[in-house]
Amino acid sequence: EAGVAQSPRYKIIEKRQSVAFWCNPISGHATLYWYQQILGQGPKLLIQFQNNGVVDDSQLPKDRFSAERLKGVDSTLKIQPAKLEDSAVYLCASSTRTGEGLAGGPPKNIQYFGAGTRLSVL
Amino acid sequence: TQLLEQSPQFLSIQEGENLTVYCNSSSVFSSLQWYRQEPGEGPVLLVTVVTGGEVKKLKRLTFQFGDARKDSSLHITAAQPGDTGLYLCAGTVASYGKLTFGQGTILTVHP
Repeated sequence: EAGVAQSPRYKIIEKRQSVAFWCNPISGHATLYWYQQILGQGPKLLIQFQNNGVVDDSQLPKDRFSAERLKGVDSTLKIQPAKLEDSAVYLCASSTRTGEGLAGGPPKNIQYFGAGTRLSVL
Repeated sequence: TQLLEQSPQFLSIQEGENLTVYCNSSSVFSSLQWYRQEPGEGPVLLVTVVTGGEVKKLKRLTFQFGDARKDSSLHITAAQPGDTGLYLCAGTVASYGKLTFGQGTILTVHP
C-alpha cells in the first residue's frame, strides 16, 4: 500500500514570495491533515479536512495560509506571502476517519504521515 | 489549550544504557500516542495507550499511561544506535481525535 505522498521535498524561497505544497493521501483515507513542524518542536495542526470539508482550521494563519481539498483526495497548502518564521517542515497526514473509538475505546483515526516538505524562507 | 511537555528535550547515551522519556500535562487525555521520527521523515506511530495505568511493551520499549491519564512515559532498555531519533508524545481530547503533540525528545545512542 502506498503511503502519503508529498511534494516537493525541499523548497527555498525569499520572503514575500508564494509557495504551494501538494499532498496525496493514502487511497481511501477520508481525513487529511496539514501540520507545521518548526525545528525543535512537535508538529502543530494547521488544518484538518474530512473529505473536502474543513473540520478544524483554528490554528491556520488565514491572512497568508490557505488550503484546499477540492475533490476530497489530493490537497494543496499555499503560503502567500511567506515570512521568515514560516521556515519549517510541512507534514501531511491521512487517516481513515475522524473520531474516537466506540465507548471511549482506542481512537480510530491513526494518522499516517508523509515525509514532509522542508521550507526555507530567506 | 492542552499542552504536553516532554522531558528531557535532548538525551545522549551510550549503547546498552537504559533511558526514560516523560510526557506530562495538566489536562486529561482520552488517549495518548507515542511516535518516532527520523531525520527527513514523518512521524511513525509506535503505540497508543487509552486506559489509566496501562502498560504496553514493544520489544525493548515500555510505555505507561498515568493513572489519571495526564502523563505518560517511554522506557527503553539496552538502547541501540538504531533507536536514535525524535520521540514525540501526542494526546487526543476532542471527539474528532485532534492530536496535540509535545515538543519531542531527541535521542542519540552512540555505539
